[in-house]
Amino acid sequence: QSVLTQPPSVSAAPGQRVTISCSGSSSNIGNNYVSWYQQLPGTAPKLLIYENNKRPSGIPDRFFGSKSDTSATLGITGLQTGDEADYYCGTWDTSLRAPSFGTGTKVTVL
Amino acid sequence: VQLVQSGAEVKKPGASVKVSCKVAEYIVTKLSIHWVRQAPGKGLEWMGGFEAEDGETVYAQNFQGRVTMTEDISTDTAYMDLSDLRSEDSGMYYCATGIAYYDSNGHRQFYYDYWGQGTRVTVSS
Repeated sequence: QSVLTQPPSVSAAPGQRVTISCSGSSSNIGNNYVSWYQQLPGTAPKLLIYENNKRPSGIPDRFFGSKSDTSATLGITGLQTGDEADYYCGTWDTSLRAPSFGTGTKVTVL
Repeated sequence: VQLVQSGAEVKKPGASVKVSCKVAEYIVTKLSIHWVRQAPGKGLEWMGGFEAEDGETVYAQNFQGRVTMTEDISTDTAYMDLSDLRSEDSGMYYCATGIAYYDSNGHRQFYYDYWGQGTRVTVSS
């Protein structure tokens, strides 16, 4: 049972913007940085955002992250068909003393 | 850093499986290798990993007693051994490098940096 809750799916047309929420608590998101991972169909996850809003080298600035209190958000602007994937948030949970993943969100480009 | 995992495995219930994760272009002891499982059509589940800064391996409660994670420094390879396999252990197993540190407020921070390509394990009689 994940401690981080995400919507099962979001969708938008090409060129539009989508946001994915990740809801947690004070034992995880409330006091720790959030990371985001993109999992394209049939592939391994890939780091998209770390420390709430930082992008690794090679990740376009169409992807952005933010955090407020016990929730975090991943945004994708200028949506492309290649962005169709599952997206997971992640953070450290102080109570569990373990890293945790969100439930995952499937992004569909209409 | 490149992580190259071993090939797919098919095992019978009750057997064990050992998945390898070869670290290319780096030294395995300088990395914290963690393992993540993904059941078919499901989300990501942390299994455990080596904490380089503490020098110890920690396991998720769900896998305690059945999983062993080791490293062979001579070949820069990490291993994940899962015993007493059940059908619900079928899925993809990923190794990943974990970045862990304490921030200025003393809070532990963690994220996964690089990922292996995954190893499919099928448990079936």
